[in-house]
This record gives sequence, C-alpha cells and structure tokens, in this order.
Amino acid sequence: AQSVTQLGSHVSVSEGALVLLRCNYSSSVPPYLFWYVQYPNQGLQLLLKYTSAATLVKGINGFEAEFKKSETSFHLTKPSAHMSDAAEYFCAGGSQGNLIFGKGTKLSVKP
Amino acid sequence: KAGVTQTPRYLIKTRGQQVTLSCSPISGHRSVSWYQQTPGQGLQFLFEYFSETQRNKGNFPGRFSGRQFSNSRSEMNVSTLELGDSALYLCASSLISLHFGYNEQFFGPGTRLTVL
Repeated sequence: AQSVTQLGSHVSVSEGALVLLRCNYSSSVPPYLFWYVQYPNQGLQLLLKYTSAATLVKGINGFEAEFKKSETSFHLTKPSAHMSDAAEYFCAGGSQGNLIFGKGTKLSVKP
Repeated sequence: KAGVTQTPRYLIKTRGQQVTLSCSPISGHRSVSWYQQTPGQGLQFLFEYFSETQRNKGNFPGRFSGRQFSNSRSEMNVSTLELGDSALYLCASSLISLHFGYNEQFFGPGTRLTVL
C-alpha cells in the first residue's frame, strides 16, 4: 500500500537552530513529493515540491528538501529556525488519483 | 488572483442531519479535490472532480458525495451525520486533474464541521 510516514509528531527547536523534519515514502508512491505547512485555523500552504528534476529542492521561507531515492526519504530542513516557523508540517506524495499525506509534524520554536 | 474560498467556515450540526459545504476554486482551475482532516486520521482524500466529473474517490462511505458545476465550483454533501464526521474539510484546486500526474494543489482555509 502507498504510504507517507513522518517521523516524530512533535519537534521542538530553539530559535536559530537547525530544523529537520523527516519524511519517508513507500516505494510505490510516485516521485511527486510535496511539503505543506499549516498554521492554526488555516488551510495548507505549499512549501516546496519535487517533480523528478533536481534532487535538492528549494522552497519558500528558507526551507529545502532533498529527495533520496535509495533511502525513500524526502526530509525537510531549514538552517536557522525562526519563531514564525512554528506550525504543522505535512509531507505528501502525489499519485494518479490523490495526494497521500503523512500524519504531520508540529514544530515548536523556543525563544 | 483570489485564492480558494470555502463556505461556511464553521458549521455545527446534530447527528442524523445532512450538510452541504461549498468550494470556489481559483479562477481557471478545473480540478477540485476534497480532504477530511481529523486529529486521529490526519488528512484523507475524499474525492476529486474535474470538468464536472468525479475522477477519483477515496475510501469513504456513500454518505459522502460531491458535485462540480460548470463554473468549476464544487459542493460536498454529507448525509446522516455521525459524531465521527466532525472534522476540518479542506478543498483544493489545481489547473488540471490529479489523474494526469503531478500538479500543484492550492488549498482553501477549510470548513470546520462539528457534529453534536
């Protein structure tokens, strides 16, 4: 079965520290991968997307993700966390038919 | 360009009632997808409409239905509401159908449905 797994439902970092949010996908998920961010009481906003071009994908707000086929991973990183990054992040895999989402990771940023 | 709009934003219903949610996609977008978001199950795909036709459907009971109009606006209906239907219902639009592979989906703010 197709699946997208996010490791860690909650991640807490200090302001200025590295942000690393992990995402693994099943090999049956086609290589259209996305990271979305959701702020409280809002919909999802696309951070970045991988569509079989460069394996290192740069997104908005300083985020980037690297597609590693051998590890079936698509981890999201940001070199320096900002208070405004506190939100819930979703990894998703695209398929002919629908988007399969991970369970989400809530990122907290401590001052 | 205006984003995806969903109405109403909040809704309270009682068990056994039915509800209709509305979604207006970004101008020019012809594909509309619906997702249910709950704390326990996360984000789950309900169905997708493209050019007034249901292209894809998730694993939800027949109480969940939808339709799309010629102007691409979409509605979803849930009949005989159950407590477990309480969720945030998100609508997303894209230029082309999900059926044709990669395409970027733009999400609305959602409708928060509470079933008492």
